Amino acid sequence: EAGVVQSPRYKIIEKKQPVAFWCNPISGHNTLYWYLQNLGQGPELLIRYENEEAVDDSQLPKDRFSAERLKGVDSTLKIQPAELGDSAVYLCASSHNQGHPYEQYFGPGTRLTVT
Amino acid sequence: AQSVTQLDSQVPVFEEAPVELRCNYSSSVSVYLFWYVQYPNQGLQLLLKYLSGSTLVKSINGFEAEFNKSQTSFHLRKPSVHISDTAEYFCAVQYQGGSEKLVFGKGTKLTVNP
Repeated sequence: EAGVVQSPRYKIIEKKQPVAFWCNPISGHNTLYWYLQNLGQGPELLIRYENEEAVDDSQLPKDRFSAERLKGVDSTLKIQPAELGDSAVYLCASSHNQGHPYEQYFGPGTRLTVT
Repeated sequence: AQSVTQLDSQVPVFEEAPVELRCNYSSSVSVYLFWYVQYPNQGLQLLLKYLSGSTLVKSINGFEAEFNKSQTSFHLRKPSVHISDTAEYFCAVQYQGGSEKLVFGKGTKLTVNP
């Protein structure tokens, strides 16, 4: 069974440029999460999807960040425009919504560097 | 506020020595507890979890953790570490009756030296 796939693995952009990250969850997993991991910190939830619906986006900075999960499978996280402080690792995770608690499986992450 | 504290940011040990990575959490409700491991340039992998029942939980590679409700702790231990255990370890909490959000500690970097 394939794990959570993320691309790109690394991205370097200049500030004020847009950037997008893509995530493909484990097949059959209804719930998808985007986490932000700053250097030396633990991951922090940005947004959680149940199928196509964003059910928790309270930590997503909506002035510059957006996300979508069309058809309830793949998801894209976008930053526009990027700022220097956005340099971090962006992690995607997925879980099956049967049973509780839902064990989350993480992808390898996208390391973003904003110069 | 709900939070997870990992008291040590870095733990250096020699191979075959015992190790304990400490984790404390704050909560007024029941919790589920997890330890994740992150090897360099990889995603987080679940190491072990406490959901209910026996307070001592074990992983397949020799780690164990004990849930202590009175101390609100979930410390991770291994009696004899290997070089390959070098990684970053994250403690995480999920609050029962709430969302599925995991709240992570800041991580402990375990370095096993020969």
